[in-house]
Amino acid sequence: GIQVEQSPPDLILQEGANSTLRCNFSDSVNNLQWFHQNPWGQLINLFYIPSGTKQNGRLSATTVATERYSLLYISSSQTTDSGVYFCAVVGGSYIPTFGRGTSLIVHP
Amino acid sequence: KAGVTQTPRYLIKTRGQQVTLSCSPISGHRSVSWYQQTPGQGLQFLFEYFSETQRNKGNFPGRFSGRQFSNSRSEMNVSTLELGDSALYLCASSLAGGGDEQYFGPGTRLTVT
Repeated sequence: GIQVEQSPPDLILQEGANSTLRCNFSDSVNNLQWFHQNPWGQLINLFYIPSGTKQNGRLSATTVATERYSLLYISSSQTTDSGVYFCAVVGGSYIPTFGRGTSLIVHP
Repeated sequence: KAGVTQTPRYLIKTRGQQVTLSCSPISGHRSVSWYQQTPGQGLQFLFEYFSETQRNKGNFPGRFSGRQFSNSRSEMNVSTLELGDSALYLCASSLAGGGDEQYFGPGTRLTVT
């Protein structure tokens, strides 16, 4: 199956800093999503982005499908951005595969 | 529009027992997928149901099963519980699966003692 690798595994920031999270995948995909998991376990949809670039407020994402990676940008981070960020891909087998996540802590 | 709902939210069971978890998808969504999340293995796909049929299955033993009803609600069952089944079980719904955007429920946290 598809391999999904996220980096960095852990990230600690001061409020106001910017960051870039990366998701590499090993094969072509039909779907790529970014999620934020809050401390209660809820997975919150950030982006559905199999290719191209999207922006939503302080967050934006870019997927370069031909080079098999996606980037999530967080600008002017806030303490509420803390949590774990996952990317998930669906390839030709249509079985979703999640990365191991990036754990983000934003200090005030 | 109401989101994905899961019941119960928390559950404590004893080894050897069985458990049934329930998931109600977003209205109009016909695909329901189940995932297991543990600290050691991360988020792993269990299975997907579409139109009352299992369409995809992950690499889990036969103790894990599911079904989907005509109203798209889904249940998953775990028989002969083991300590290692302690996990957060997440359900996701999408319009038709197959790469459509997925929306997750709040999860059921299962503890096996």
